Amino acid sequence: AQSVAQPEDQVNVAEGNPLTVKCTYSVSGNPYLFWYVQYPNRGLQFLLKYITGDNLVKGSYGFEAEFNKSQTSFHLKKPSALVSDSALYFCAVSPPFPGYSSASKIIFGSGTRLSIRP
Amino acid sequence: NAGVTQTPKFQVLKTGQSMTLQCAQDMNHNSMYWYRQDPGMGLRLIYYSASEGTTDKGEVPNGYNVSRLNKREFSLRLESAAPSQTSVYFCASHSLAGIQETQYFGPGTRLLVL
Repeated sequence: AQSVAQPEDQVNVAEGNPLTVKCTYSVSGNPYLFWYVQYPNRGLQFLLKYITGDNLVKGSYGFEAEFNKSQTSFHLKKPSALVSDSALYFCAVSPPFPGYSSASKIIFGSGTRLSIRP
Repeated sequence: NAGVTQTPKFQVLKTGQSMTLQCAQDMNHNSMYWYRQDPGMGLRLIYYSASEGTTDKGEVPNGYNVSRLNKREFSLRLESAAPSQTSVYFCASHSLAGIQETQYFGPGTRLLVL
């Protein structure tokens, strides 16, 4: 069965330092991978996705994520954190279908709360 | 272009009461979804509608019903609310664009069942 794990409930980083939010997955075949961000009292917002191609994916707000097939990981990174990056981050995975992917198959991780201190 | 809208934003129910959560999208998306979000559990899919006129169960459908009223609207109904249904409910939609999948989420409905 497919699954996604975010091993850290919370990540604390000082402003200006690099940040990493970890995500590992278990799915057969080549998965589709996503990161979403949730600000307080808001819905999830799409950050970036990996479908195929370059293992380093660039997304919104200066975030990027690296797909590592051998480690089955898709960690979210940013070179220099901002206080405004403080939010809840969700990793999600979907198994691919040939030429088609159904969002009904997307599995979300439990979320990691990122806290950036000034 | 409002994206995905949800009403109400917040609701308190007593056990056994019923209510309907409304969701609408103005992006002409085919597929719509209802999720619930509980602490430490991420988002879990309740029901989804791949296209107008079709609905299917997700991971946690028990205690819920849905209606895809038209392409824009997808409602979630609790016939007899239970405290276990206290949660934050999110509606989402997406449009197929090749093999890309990006979901757009509404702002959520916070439901408290006493």
